[in-house]
Amino acid sequence: DAGVIQSPRHEVTEMGQEVTLRCKPISGHNSLFWYRQTMMRGLELLIYFNNNVPIDDSGMPEDRFSAKMPNASFSTLKIQPSEPRDSAVYFCASSPRVSGGAGETQYFGPGTRLLVL
Amino acid sequence: AQTVTQSQPEMSVQEAETVTLSCTYDTSESDYYLFWYKQPPSRQMILVIRQEAYKQQNATENRFSVNFQKAAKSFSLKISDSQLGDAAMYFCAYRTRNNDMRFGAGTRLTVKP
Repeated sequence: DAGVIQSPRHEVTEMGQEVTLRCKPISGHNSLFWYRQTMMRGLELLIYFNNNVPIDDSGMPEDRFSAKMPNASFSTLKIQPSEPRDSAVYFCASSPRVSGGAGETQYFGPGTRLLVL
Repeated sequence: AQTVTQSQPEMSVQEAETVTLSCTYDTSESDYYLFWYKQPPSRQMILVIRQEAYKQQNATENRFSVNFQKAAKSFSLKISDSQLGDAAMYFCAYRTRNNDMRFGAGTRLTVKP
């Protein structure tokens, strides 16, 4: 398996522009997670989906951020308009669905390094 | 609130020696899972080891083992026979059945040759 795929790997944009980050989870995985990593705040869970449905978006910093999962093999995280403080590494992770008390491991993508000027 | 605390921002170990990274967590859940992830300079998050809270036996993966103390809410990682490739940031993480996952701030491990 190719693992979790994220694109682009690097993104440089100017303040005010729209940014779209993409993620393809591991085939067969039912849960998908978006994280943000910064020096100041560490790793933060932004939102996660179970079976393409958003379950908890309480970590999304503000309305400028939105995430979608139109099907089991694709998800996007959009920032509109982007601001310099959004500069971070954004990770996508996937895991098989947690069920019956069985914990499942999250597998991370390589991340997208975003720089907003 | 469910939190994960790694009290050691940085640790150093001599090659071939053993090092232990500390992690404590706070939760009211009874069913949860604990993980250690490694993040080398490439920034890829790599699973090192996992532990189910309902299992009393400590998990081991080759040179990596954990000391899980459920009552104390402690989950330390022991790396034996440290290698240069073990140098990285190590994150302790906690996850509930509802997929709520929280990470600690990380411990930067340096391995001296």
